[in-house]
Amino acid sequence: AQSVAQPEDQVNVAEGNPLTVKCTYSVSGNPYLFWYVQYPNRGLQFLLKYITGDNLVKGSYGFEAEFNKSQTSFHLKKPSALVSDSALYFCAVSPPGGNFNKFYFGSGTKLNVKP
Amino acid sequence: DGGITQSPKYLFRKEGQNVTLSCEQNLNHDAMYWYRQDPGQGLRLIYYSQIVNDFQKGDIAEGYSVSREKKESFPLTVTSAQKNPTAFYLCASSLGTAVGGPQHFGDGTRLSIL
Repeated sequence: AQSVAQPEDQVNVAEGNPLTVKCTYSVSGNPYLFWYVQYPNRGLQFLLKYITGDNLVKGSYGFEAEFNKSQTSFHLKKPSALVSDSALYFCAVSPPGGNFNKFYFGSGTKLNVKP
Repeated sequence: DGGITQSPKYLFRKEGQNVTLSCEQNLNHDAMYWYRQDPGQGLRLIYYSQIVNDFQKGDIAEGYSVSREKKESFPLTVTSAQKNPTAFYLCASSLGTAVGGPQHFGDGTRLSIL
């Protein structure tokens, strides 16, 4: 079965420190990988995606993600966290093949950045 | 600006009542989706549509219905058969149905039971 795991319900980090939000997946083939951010009572905003190529993907707001095929992981990173980065982060996976753009979402990780 | 508009932002349902959530997009996207979000869970797919006048059940379609009469619009009806409708509902769209394209989301409708 296809699945996405975000092992941490919450991540706490001090402003200015680097942050990592973890994501692992169990999907057959070479999936497409995405990160989204959600602020309270808002929809999801697209941050970045990995399709193929360089394992380090750069996205919006200074975020980047590292793809590791052997560990089936796609961790979200940022070198220096901001208080405004505090939000709910979702990892999503779209398996190759099939006849539509189906996404599997992780359960979300709440990021708290303290001043 | 192009985007996805969901209305209303808050909705209350009485016992035995059907309610309809609106989703409109002006991105000229072919594919549209409805998700349900519950606390501590990821998004679960209710219905999706790849083209006008066609739609398919997602993972949790029971108690819900949709229509796709226009490319821009994909309303979701929560019927009285849905016994636990309290949730945050998100509509999304993507340029096509080809795998790999990001989905773009509206700002959601929060549905509660009176």
